[in-house]
Amino acid sequence: DVVLTPTPPSLSATIGQSVSISCRSSQSLLHNNGNTYLNWLLQRPGQPPQLLIYLVSRLESGVPNRFSGSGSGTDFTLKISGVEAEDLGVYYCVQSTHAPYTFGAGTKLELK
Amino acid sequence: VQLVESRGGLVQPGKSLKLSCSASGFTFSSFGMHWIRQVPGKGLDWVAYISSSSDTVYADAVKGRFTISRDNAKNTLYLQLNSLKSEDTAIYYCARGGLDYWGQGVMVTVSS
Repeated sequence: DVVLTPTPPSLSATIGQSVSISCRSSQSLLHNNGNTYLNWLLQRPGQPPQLLIYLVSRLESGVPNRFSGSGSGTDFTLKISGVEAEDLGVYYCVQSTHAPYTFGAGTKLELK
Repeated sequence: VQLVESRGGLVQPGKSLKLSCSASGFTFSSFGMHWIRQVPGKGLDWVAYISSSSDTVYADAVKGRFTISRDNAKNTLYLQLNSLKSEDTAIYYCARGGLDYWGQGVMVTVSS
């Protein structure tokens, strides 16, 4: 099974600070069809997860453009350009290129 | 778009339970659907996927014990949980294929 390893496991940020979260895959997430099925989700406390980014870098409708995704193959990054209070929670990367699909362990973003 | 899970609860080890997820606001038959679970306070754990043509994929931990199915006439997704173990205790979420919409989740507790 594909293992997704997020780094760091947690981070603290001040409002307005830019932060990045990395997700490394144990194998390439490039599908035979040319797509890379790597998504980023945010789970706020007490809420179901929310899709932020799909196909590595495509911003989900309604998600602020301070969120951006990049990467290819086995290394991916989520960047938040100017953290806001509503961004606190746990960020998950998830891959659906290879079955069974797998989530990373999550990165908890807290306010400093 | 709305996804509403139902029929969680307390069940004894070795017993069975069937979860349902009622979908509305989109053409249910056109979308693949997932079940994903989460032990409270822990990370997300992908369980199963069913495509729009009813092809299925399962996590190794549930293969042979859980069955995902759908009834397009009723706009409903199901998860049959058999031979339940204490480690199956979790919040179970249904989610649309792109992980763009999630239900609120239903708690399943396996305990004697």
